[in-house]
Formats: sequence, structure tokens, C-alpha cells
Amino acid sequence: QVQLQESGPGLVKPSQTLSLTCTVSGGSISSGDYYWSWIRQPPGKGLEWIGYIYYSGSTYYNPSLKSRVTISVDTSKNQFSLKLSSVTAADTAVYYCARMSTMVDYWGQGTLVTVSS
Amino acid sequence: DIVMTQTPLSSPVTLGQPASISCRSSQSLVHSDGNTYLSWLQQRPGQPPRLLIYKISNRFSGVPDRFSGSGAGTDFTLKISRVEAEDVGVYYCMQATQPPYTFGQGTKLEIK
Repeated sequence: QVQLQESGPGLVKPSQTLSLTCTVSGGSISSGDYYWSWIRQPPGKGLEWIGYIYYSGSTYYNPSLKSRVTISVDTSKNQFSLKLSSVTAADTAVYYCARMSTMVDYWGQGTLVTVSS
Repeated sequence: DIVMTQTPLSSPVTLGQPASISCRSSQSLVHSDGNTYLSWLQQRPGQPPRLLIYKISNRFSGVPDRFSGSGAGTDFTLKISRVEAEDVGVYYCMQATQPPYTFGQGTKLEIK
């Protein structure tokens, strides 16, 4: 069974760049059948899809975040990563990595990232 | 962006009784390939979301058959035939027909 695990700093200062990595086990990112996504959830609020990457490196970003988001993939490590620049308190959220095709079928446990000085 | 609107936002239910959640999209979710990529997710307290239903009515692996989905076009429904204590949480609909993919606001299911 596929498992995903987020890792990265839990605290980021305003104006800096948030960086997270998702490690995939139990399946290969390079299989070609899936898109590898980032989704976030501010405390007590709903879900927001950030974007996805295909194993080839092609990406799609939510236009609401596009100017600040970069998603990359490292197939040799079976990992994909998220960078979100110029963060503010509004970017405080639990960040999930997930596998998706036409549905989001596997999710990581999520990691809380707080933006604060 | 496609806006997903759920009703109700809160649903107190008696154990053993049915529950129903509606989801309406701001435009048709029928993809150019003929499929409708509407799914339902459950998020128990302190847990990540979990896929329940995909393509309107298909139960994901391991999902109890008391969960069912229906609908077409812009109107969809998730039904729980007999609510159990473990069903407490927030339920989201999600569309994956047209990026950016979007979620409903969530419906909180609680026991009376």
C-alpha cells in the first residue's frame, strides 16, 4: 500500500520560503499513472488544492498561488517537494501531500507549518 | 474556478439513523471524456482526509457499504444509511474535472 510522509520545518518566518518534502513508499512516483499533489488546510478551515507534479516534471499550480509556488520531483529518491515563497500568516496551515489521478486516493498524515516571527 | 457548495454545514444525527449531505457545483462536472470526477472525502478529528467515494458513486477500497453516492451534472449527494459513532467528522466533496481542483466547505457530522 502506498504511503506518503511530509517533512520540513514547522515554523517559518514571514516573507521567507516554506519548503516541504514528501517521501513516497510502497509505490513508484515514476509509474506514470498518478499526479503528486500538495493540499493545505488552515487550522479549523477547509481544504485548498495547491498543485501537482507528474513524474516527468510537468506541473499545474492553483492560479491563486501560482506566483509563489514551485513543485519539483526527484524520482531517484521517490520524493516530491513544495516551495512557497513570501509567506505570511495566511499561509499557516496543515500541508498534505497526496497521490491523485481523477481522485485523491492516498494522503500523507500532514504537517503543520506556522508562519510567525 | 468551479465553486462547490455543500449543505448542510452541520448535521446532528442519531446513531442508527440515516444522514444525507448535498453538494452542488457552479458548473457541470461532466468531463470531456464523459466521466464525472466528483468524489467524497471523510476527515475524522485529527486525521487526514480519507477517500470514500469517487466518480459520483464508486466506493473506495475498504469503505463500508452504508456509504453511497449519487447525482449527476451539478447536483450530488452522499448518504449514510445508518450512522455509526465512527462516522463523526467532516465530509467534503471534491471535483477533479477541471483544474484548479476544488473542495466544498465541509459538512460536520455529529451525534445528537
